Amino acid sequence: AQSVTQLDSQVPVFEEAPVELRCNYSSSVSVYLFWYVQYPNQGLQLLLKYLSGSTLVKGINGFEAEFNKSQTSFHLRKPSVHISDTAEYFCAVRSNFGNEKLTFGTGTRLTIIP
Amino acid sequence: EAGVAQSPRYKIIEKRQSVAFWCNPISGHATLYWYQQILGQGPKLLIQFQNNGVVDDSQLPKDRFSAERLKGVDSTLKIQPAKLEDSAVYLCASSFRGLVDTQYFGPGTRLTVL
Repeated sequence: AQSVTQLDSQVPVFEEAPVELRCNYSSSVSVYLFWYVQYPNQGLQLLLKYLSGSTLVKGINGFEAEFNKSQTSFHLRKPSVHISDTAEYFCAVRSNFGNEKLTFGTGTRLTIIP
Repeated sequence: EAGVAQSPRYKIIEKRQSVAFWCNPISGHATLYWYQQILGQGPKLLIQFQNNGVVDDSQLPKDRFSAERLKGVDSTLKIQPAKLEDSAVYLCASSFRGLVDTQYFGPGTRLTVL
């Protein structure tokens, strides 16, 4: 079985400050990892994904994430946030064995303070 | 390229009534997913179609939920009869092939059961 934990339900950050949204996963096999963003009243949009290769993954809107197998983490970072980054961010995991479904975390609401 | 379309966007019904949601995926996408997103939680997969066949419906409450994807394109999700705990946003997503492909989400249908 696989699971995802997003420890921070809400993260307030001042505009132009850096941010890190934490994601830890659990799986008995190797995994694929994803970060999705959900803007108010919109569907989810893929920010970035890790399938294999380099552990540092760059995504859209200046976000990046680093896969750390030993710590089973996939934290999302941005060096300088903008008001437009206000949204809900979801980490998701899927094992690379068989036809496992995508399992989402409970989300982190990022609020940018002007 | 048109995105994933869903209708209606909002629906309010009373418990024990029935309701249906419609989804039109991105043209050419073979895989279609229905998710349930309860307030404060991440999306949970209800059912996955590959063309017009069901790949995974292990988390679909089959006593009241049903879904079909005729001709491998549009899909409908039905709830009959609805319960209070079915209040949620129902998200439809599609991908070109399978689960490692990027999933593109529709705006969702917000269901309120009174």
